[in-house]
Amino acid sequence: RKEVEQDPGPFNVPEGATVAFNCTYSNSASQSFFWYRQDCRKEPKLLMSVYSSGNEDGRFTAQLNRASQYISLLIRDSKLSDSATYLCVVRTGGYQKVTFGIGTKLQVIP
Amino acid sequence: GAGVSQSPSNKVTEKGKDVELRCDPISGHTALYWYRQSLGQGLEFLIYFQGNSAPDKSGLPSDRFSAERTGGSVSTLTIQRTQQEDSAVYLCASSFAGGRPDGYTFGSGTRLTVV
Repeated sequence: RKEVEQDPGPFNVPEGATVAFNCTYSNSASQSFFWYRQDCRKEPKLLMSVYSSGNEDGRFTAQLNRASQYISLLIRDSKLSDSATYLCVVRTGGYQKVTFGIGTKLQVIP
Repeated sequence: GAGVSQSPSNKVTEKGKDVELRCDPISGHTALYWYRQSLGQGLEFLIYFQGNSAPDKSGLPSDRFSAERTGGSVSTLTIQRTQQEDSAVYLCASSFAGGRPDGYTFGSGTRLTVV
């Protein structure tokens, strides 16, 4: 089983739709969780950290479910500019134990 | 500089040749990371530097890969006797502190194609 698993998609959604992605992780000792965004042929950039109690940043909501070992990202009122690949990042232990998922591709359609 | 700079941005090389990839981190960032991203794959950790030291090189895929960092700044990733499976985007990131993905700044990468 992979340490971090994501559905690669693509998820094709119309503008204004709500879309959610999940990411599962295998190590119950994992400590920190993040979502990164990567535009086509660009470098990854931090979208948001994921806190135990869940957190929101504008149209984006991130949640952590430790019991089931997954994190989620919800995007409300999707914009064309949200089209990108969303990478799940999990930290377990020290610097070398930062694992990136393969990413979920989102395409928002006019 | 304002961001992490990588060079070259693109490199096409013949199988068997050696290549050097360069990373200029953000000034003051003591931690530096190399990752590799192949098509359809996640970012694969290669090596981490804290200052000029590399506490963990276990991510380097073979002894053809080596990396160094000098002056706590510029890092070079060298691939000897390149193979087609080395084709990927090589990404460098830096941060103030190690192991904090919320503090990573990535460069735009070097796209390596081995023909």
